[in-house]
Amino acid sequence: DAGVIQSPRHEVTEMGQEVTLRCKPISGHDYLFWYRQTMMRGLELLIYFNNNVPIDDSGMPEDRFSAKMPNASFSTLKIQPSEPRDSAVYFCASSLSGGASGELFFGEGSRLTVL
Amino acid sequence: KQEVTQIPAALSVPEGENLVLNCSFTDSAIYNLQWFRQDPGKGLTSLLLIQSSQREQTSGRLNASLDKSSGRSTLYIAASQPGDSATYLCAVNMDSSYKLIFGSGTRLLVRP
Repeated sequence: DAGVIQSPRHEVTEMGQEVTLRCKPISGHDYLFWYRQTMMRGLELLIYFNNNVPIDDSGMPEDRFSAKMPNASFSTLKIQPSEPRDSAVYFCASSLSGGASGELFFGEGSRLTVL
Repeated sequence: KQEVTQIPAALSVPEGENLVLNCSFTDSAIYNLQWFRQDPGKGLTSLLLIQSSQREQTSGRLNASLDKSSGRSTLYIAASQPGDSATYLCAVNMDSSYKLIFGSGTRLLVRP
């Protein structure tokens, strides 16, 4: 398997623009997570899904952020409108429930810069 | 609220040295604890996972221990190599939901 695939790897946009980040989890994994990493706050969980259903979105900063998982192989994180303070690396991760280890597998991240 | 702390924030050692990275957490009622490695510009790679009922896990030159009652975990790296240079993060899971709470990491540099 190719692992968790995220796109784009880098995104530079201007304040007020809409940003869409994409994630393809590992095939067969039933949990999907979106994390944000900044120097100031480290890694923060934004939202996670189980079997395509959002379970906990308490980490989503505000209404400008939304996430969807229309099927088991695709998820999006959308920011509209974007602000400079949204600049961060956004990671997607997936996991298999009932697995022996319960490990999380991370993608390589999408680095977002909002000017 | 669970808080995870990692000390030191950065560490520089000569190649071949054995070293210990520390992780502490405030709420001992954890489900499991994971250690990750992050290379610059990359995602996180899981190194070791310790279930709450376990005391330690080993993988190659890495050994992670867990003392729930004292709220501490250590990652021991034997015979360090320059390729071990990376940021090491620990994360705790409070239940079976995989909702990890991360520490801020220890940035390790192994000098040739």
